[in-house]
Order: sequence, then structure tokens, then C-alpha cells
Amino acid sequence: GNSVTQMEGPVTLSEEAFLTINCTYTATGYPSLFWYVQYPGEGLQLLLKATKADDKGSNKGFEATYRKETTSFHLEKGSVQVSDSAVYFCALGASGSARQLTFGSGTQLTVLP
Amino acid sequence: GAGVSQTPSNKVTEKGKYVELRCDPISGHTALYWYRQSLGQGPEFLIYFQGTGAADDSGLPNDRFFAVRPEGSVSTLKIQRTERGDSAVYLCASSLNEGGYLHFGNGTRLTVT
Repeated sequence: GNSVTQMEGPVTLSEEAFLTINCTYTATGYPSLFWYVQYPGEGLQLLLKATKADDKGSNKGFEATYRKETTSFHLEKGSVQVSDSAVYFCALGASGSARQLTFGSGTQLTVLP
Repeated sequence: GAGVSQTPSNKVTEKGKYVELRCDPISGHTALYWYRQSLGQGPEFLIYFQGTGAADDSGLPNDRFFAVRPEGSVSTLKIQRTERGDSAVYLCASSLNEGGYLHFGNGTRLTVT
């Protein structure tokens, strides 16, 4: 079955530091890959997505590249801000559909001023 | 409304009781999803509706769990004979159609004592 393995947290960084949150997956076929973010007191929000190999998703300075050869979708940001403090979830969906997402366990990020 | 609305935001119940959790999706969204998020874990898929019908209920853990969406809009997740292991945050999401982005509500935190 499908599964997502996500870098365990919590992660604490200083403002303007470089961020990487690792995510690897196991899936049949050609899944779509997603990063969701959950800010304190808010619901899950889609941060970015990629639907095929070598696609790069990007949003709000975050990027992730769909690497089929390493089955990975690592999240990166060059310079984090205090407002990026949140829980980040990697997820995969069956080919062409977000119908039944499989999520990783989440990574808590805290950015200190 | 502007987003997916879930009520109540918190529910405390005694073991063995029946509970109902409500979800109001974004107006016009035909697809509706229920997920469950246990402490320290990512959300796990429960059930998916397309219109009024449950298109995929493979994630429901057992027959104590049931969900309805009689008019293709509001959905209710029903849990009979609650157990302490049912304690979790229950998330609802909707999308314009099956292939669309999921918009999540803030969830209902269920605590079974």
C-alpha cells in the first residue's frame, strides 16, 4: 500500500536559516505529491503540489521537487521567517486524484527571531 | 461560507455514548471527505462523498462509524458506542470536484472519557 515517511521533528531554526524537511514515499503507479501546512489554531492548507516526476512545486518561498528515482519530495526554503512556524505534512494521492490522501506524521517547525 | 465549517469545535463524551459531528463544505463543492487525526500523527482517510453518495468508505475503522450527506451538501459523521480510542481530531474537507484541491476545516476535537 501507499505510505509516506517524513522527517521527525520538532525542528527549531533561527530566522533566515535554510530549511529542509525530508519526505520519502512508497506508492504504486504515479501518485501526486503534496505538502500541507497547519498554522497554530488553523486548518490544514495546501502549500504546494507536484503531479509528475521532475515537477517542482513552489509557493511562499517554499519548493519541493518530485524525484521518482529517489521516491522523495523534500521541502526546502532558503530563508525561513518566524511566521513559517507551523506543522508541515507531506502527502500523496493516487494518480490524478486527491481523493484519498496518505499523509506523513507531520513535522513541527519553530522559527526563533 | 468562506471555508469549510465544522461543529462543534470540541466534543467531550463518555464511553459508550453516541456522537454526531457536522461538516458544512464550501458552497458548490461536490466532493466531501472525512479524515481522522490522532495525536502526533497525520490525518487518516475515513470516507469520501461525491454528491450524496459515499463513493469510498474504505477508511472507516468499523461499523460503529457511519457518515451521511443526504442533500449533497452538509455531512454528518456518526459514531456509535464511542470508545476511548476514538479520541482524535476529526477533519472534514471539500473540493470542487474529485480532482480538485482539498480545503480542510479546523476539525472537531473529540475526547471520549
